Amino acid sequence: DARVTQTPRHKVTEMGQEVTMRCQPILGHNTVFWYRQTMMQGLELLAYFRNRAPLDDSGMPKDRFSAEMPDATLATLKIQPSEPRDSAVYFCASGLGTGYWTEAFFGQGTRLTVV
Amino acid sequence: KNQVEQSPQSLIILEGKNCTLQCNYTVSPFSNLRWYKQDTGRGPVSLTIMTFSENTKSNGRYTATLDADTKQSSLHITASQLSDSASYICVVSALGAAGNKLTFGGGTRVLVKP
Repeated sequence: DARVTQTPRHKVTEMGQEVTMRCQPILGHNTVFWYRQTMMQGLELLAYFRNRAPLDDSGMPKDRFSAEMPDATLATLKIQPSEPRDSAVYFCASGLGTGYWTEAFFGQGTRLTVV
Repeated sequence: KNQVEQSPQSLIILEGKNCTLQCNYTVSPFSNLRWYKQDTGRGPVSLTIMTFSENTKSNGRYTATLDADTKQSSLHITASQLSDSASYICVVSALGAAGNKLTFGGGTRVLVKP
């Protein structure tokens, strides 16, 4: 069945290391979202792509975070260098539409722990 | 500042009972409101989406209401089941020059006990 696939599911890394999270959106979906979820902040939108073009990444710390879509089947979120405050669950979601309000289907998330 | 406040933060109910979750928002100009259900360890799943002109929408045992005048929404769970144990997140979309912007509530954690 169609689903958003995220890898890895869990990642533990040391502060200062580079972290790359990957997402395979549902085939045919033209919209990809990256979210971060913590106990303190809840769910936050980091970046939003439509047709592989970044439309809004205002929620993302620009100095260390970067998001790309090398092709329609792969979205990446990279943190370099990672810091303990980046520890969170990172969700990718995909949808078919033209705006933030596109029906979004979420992946299982990547739980990141930076020590 | 756009804000979404949910109450209660958590609640425990007995299986078979009903419950109502609240969402108050100050997002403006309002575009849409959505309720998500998030099971532990999983991504959120959309339950309902409501536009300005809609005041009630149902999805099985879940019924959402919207009062755009008072800027309040509620999610009612009827005849709760153990599988309803989850966090419920209210998300409000505001119209903006660059497109809709999303504001998330902190969620309500529901535990259904047998």
